[in-house]
Amino acid sequence: GAGVSQSPSNKVTEKGKDVELRCDPISGHTALYWYRQSLGQGLEFLIYFQGNSAPDKSGLPSDRFSAERTGGSVSTLTIQRTQQEDSAVYLCASSLGPPGDWGTDTQYFGPGTRLTVL
Amino acid sequence: QKEVEQNSGPLSVPEGAIASLNCTYSDRGSQSFFWYRQYSGKSPELIMFIYSNGDKEDGRFTAQLNKASQYVSLLIRDSQPSDSATYLCAVPFEGGYNKLIFGAGTRLAVHP
Repeated sequence: GAGVSQSPSNKVTEKGKDVELRCDPISGHTALYWYRQSLGQGLEFLIYFQGNSAPDKSGLPSDRFSAERTGGSVSTLTIQRTQQEDSAVYLCASSLGPPGDWGTDTQYFGPGTRLTVL
Repeated sequence: QKEVEQNSGPLSVPEGAIASLNCTYSDRGSQSFFWYRQYSGKSPELIMFIYSNGDKEDGRFTAQLNKASQYVSLLIRDSQPSDSATYLCAVPFEGGYNKLIFGAGTRLAVHP
């Protein structure tokens, strides 16, 4: 079946502008995760959704970052007043079951959105 | 100590050799462990997951887990140039399984 999809694949914006990044998880996957990866760095956890609720927002780096998920499916990550340090690849992942459910909590990643803030 | 540590490499091995990638973690309560492969410019893809002490084999890949020593390793037998990538170890965060903590990754280079 189809994997995790993300759009846009690339986004170039000017400092101070708002951006929206979209993630379509694998159909039927209840859990959805956002990460970001700066050049040459590991993955940094941002936020996790179980269904439409986000029990863990601890990774969001500032109040300029927000995310929502509707209908237990599509999620949008919004960055307001973008800064140059926001430049990174933003990765979305989904898993069939909730975290901790052995065997169904494996996360599958989308292709990412490369965000460049000029 | 970082929560998940990996040697950044590069680890260079000749084609056909065994590549050994190691990962140590700080949380003794961690129960599940994941290895992802990431090609340059691409997103991570799952290679292996392991929950129990011991070895788990899948084709040319073997994951080894030692909970007492808090390390998990990935062995790649008969390494191929196409295995050249960064390998990421991931461990759930301190009993809160909603967060996977990723190591910074080990870059593997397999040369012909």
